[in-house]
Amino acid sequence: DIVLTQTPLSLSVTPGQPASISCKSSQSLLHTDGRTYLYWYLQKPGQPPKVLIYEASNRFSGAPDRFSGSGSGTDFTLTISRVEAEDVGIYYCMQCIHLPMTFGQGTRLEIK
Amino acid sequence: EVHLLESGGGLVRPGGSLRLSCEASGFTFNNFGMSWVRQTPEKGLEWVSGLSGSGVTTYYADSVKGRFTISRDNSKNTLYLLMNSLRAEDTAVYYCAKAWGYSGDSPFDYWGRGSLVTVSS
Repeated sequence: DIVLTQTPLSLSVTPGQPASISCKSSQSLLHTDGRTYLYWYLQKPGQPPKVLIYEASNRFSGAPDRFSGSGSGTDFTLTISRVEAEDVGIYYCMQCIHLPMTFGQGTRLEIK
Repeated sequence: EVHLLESGGGLVRPGGSLRLSCEASGFTFNNFGMSWVRQTPEKGLEWVSGLSGSGVTTYYADSVKGRFTISRDNSKNTLYLLMNSLRAEDTAVYYCAKAWGYSGDSPFDYWGRGSLVTVSS
């Protein structure tokens, strides 16, 4: 199975400041079709996860433009340009290039 | 607006069975694959099973293969997960999730709110 390792596991950020989360994969997530099958989800307290970024760097419809994704191959980053209070929750990366689809351990973001 | 509503969770004894349902609305159900994903505080998020829009092609995690059966009734816009030979380690919140595409191994763009399954004597 592909292992996704997220760092840090938690971070505390002052509103208005940037934040970034790393996701490293045990195998390349670049498919022969040219797409990179890495996704980012945010799970707010008491809610199911919601997709933020698909295929490593594409913002999902409705996701705020302060969220961006970057990276390739095995190393990926989710960046929040200016953290807002509503961004609290747990962020997960997920791969779907190979079954079983697997998730990172999650990164808990809290507001200072 | 996409809406997914799970039901059927509850308390069941080890070795017992349970069937989860997920009613879908807000999209053309038979055009999209669907999956079940479970979550525990200890293990986090774990993909369990997926199937294609027609329901013909199915996929399972090794941890549930041979015990769980995923299916769908496109006439009712409903996804199912039949869980047999349940174990304590199957205790989790089970989410149904809509796939991005037709295949059952597509990633998810929408999730339901989840249904809690507790396996305990």
